[in-house]
Amino acid sequence: DTAVSQTPKYLVTQMGNDKSIKCEQNLGHDTMYWYKQDSKKFLKIMFSYNNKELIINETVPNRFSPKSPDKAHLNLHINSLELGDSAVYFCASMPGEVETQYFGPGTRLLVL
Amino acid sequence: GQNIDQPTEMTATEGAIVQINCTYQTSGFNGLFWYQQHAGEAPTFLSYNVLDGLEEKGRFSSFLSRSKGYSYLLLKELQMKDSASYLCAVSDSNYQLIWGAGTKLIIKP
Repeated sequence: DTAVSQTPKYLVTQMGNDKSIKCEQNLGHDTMYWYKQDSKKFLKIMFSYNNKELIINETVPNRFSPKSPDKAHLNLHINSLELGDSAVYFCASMPGEVETQYFGPGTRLLVL
Repeated sequence: GQNIDQPTEMTATEGAIVQINCTYQTSGFNGLFWYQQHAGEAPTFLSYNVLDGLEEKGRFSSFLSRSKGYSYLLLKELQMKDSASYLCAVSDSNYQLIWGAGTKLIIKP
């Protein structure tokens, strides 16, 4: 069984479009994250949700909006996509405050 | 500011030993993690240190010195499958993970 899953795995789209990436975890974890990994391989945290409450909101553009319908899901919606948004986006979940994070397989976003 | 430093790339020979260093400056400390990331894949957990000293897990060991803001990951009996990036991450006072850029390890036969 997949612990943390993301869809789609690949996403190619045009500038200006709006897209969503979905994430689901079946581990019963309390906290979920969205990360962006750019071409330089830095993992930058974008958002964190704990029991449906946003607890970290890094200085990302407001074109990015996380949505958590329930504890097991954290989706990422991106409006007006820009070339610089091209990256790999990872979802992760964690049971507590200082625990191992479990990553999804990543979504490779390419904006043309 | 908060900072994690690790070498960009290292090369080692199959069967040998390699040590990947990580130095950090963070606001608070709640533990240090090492993750492995193969090309095109997600990071996977390797080790966690919160107290000073060496943690050994099979061929991999991780060391921490909190006073020096320093950690290393030691890989023994290197195998070709160990070719990957190794990411150091520190949990700060807000329990937020601060990530290094990763060290790309190249294993040669």
